[in-house]
Amino acid sequence: QQQVKQSPQSLIVQKGGISIINCAYENTAFDYFPWYQQFPGKGPALLIAIRPDVSEKKEGRFTISFNKSAKQFSLHIMDSQPGDSATYFCAASGSARQLTFGSGTQLTVLP
Amino acid sequence: DTGVSQDPRHKITKRGQNVTFRCDPISEHNRLYWYRQTLGQGPEFLTYFQNEAQLEKSRLLSDRFSAERPKGSFSTLEIQRTEQGDSAMYLCASSLQGIDEKLFFGSGTQLSVL
Repeated sequence: QQQVKQSPQSLIVQKGGISIINCAYENTAFDYFPWYQQFPGKGPALLIAIRPDVSEKKEGRFTISFNKSAKQFSLHIMDSQPGDSATYFCAASGSARQLTFGSGTQLTVLP
Repeated sequence: DTGVSQDPRHKITKRGQNVTFRCDPISEHNRLYWYRQTLGQGPEFLTYFQNEAQLEKSRLLSDRFSAERPKGSFSTLEIQRTEQGDSAMYLCASSLQGIDEKLFFGSGTQLSVL
């Protein structure tokens, strides 16, 4: 019930394209859904987060879409750039902010 | 604000030895978390503190692991009698409790058990 499933495992996108990463969760007690970006040798860095009372949140080129009934959420990266090449993790938590992470998506943006 | 600091960045040890890692959170943050990350996987929750109180521990955390946050500031994570399966990146994160709480991670300590 604590699992967060993430897909795809890897993604290759051309510069300027749209990158889409999907996640699904099971625990209906989750009420906070962040996305993290991680570069090699670094810790995860918070990109954007959403709560289940809204269906979409946009910050710059990054958008989270949230479907509460389907228990799914996704990250869209518009106008993808080579500097966006990194591993992306979705996560979910309840009140204690103990995050349950997905298994990650390795994004490569080709120049 | 210098971010979350972890020390050491890398640790190589022999099986059976004890190791200790340190985490210095962002100064005003009252919550501190430890996670473990293996290659190709997402971070896995180990334990967390609110101020100096350890409020939750993962069922996955064996008795060989112990964490402290004695004065509600820095924290240490000790692994006794290390095993090869303990090899991983150990990540510390901190946050300020609140409605818009956000976790900030350090760069981690990479442990290799030979």
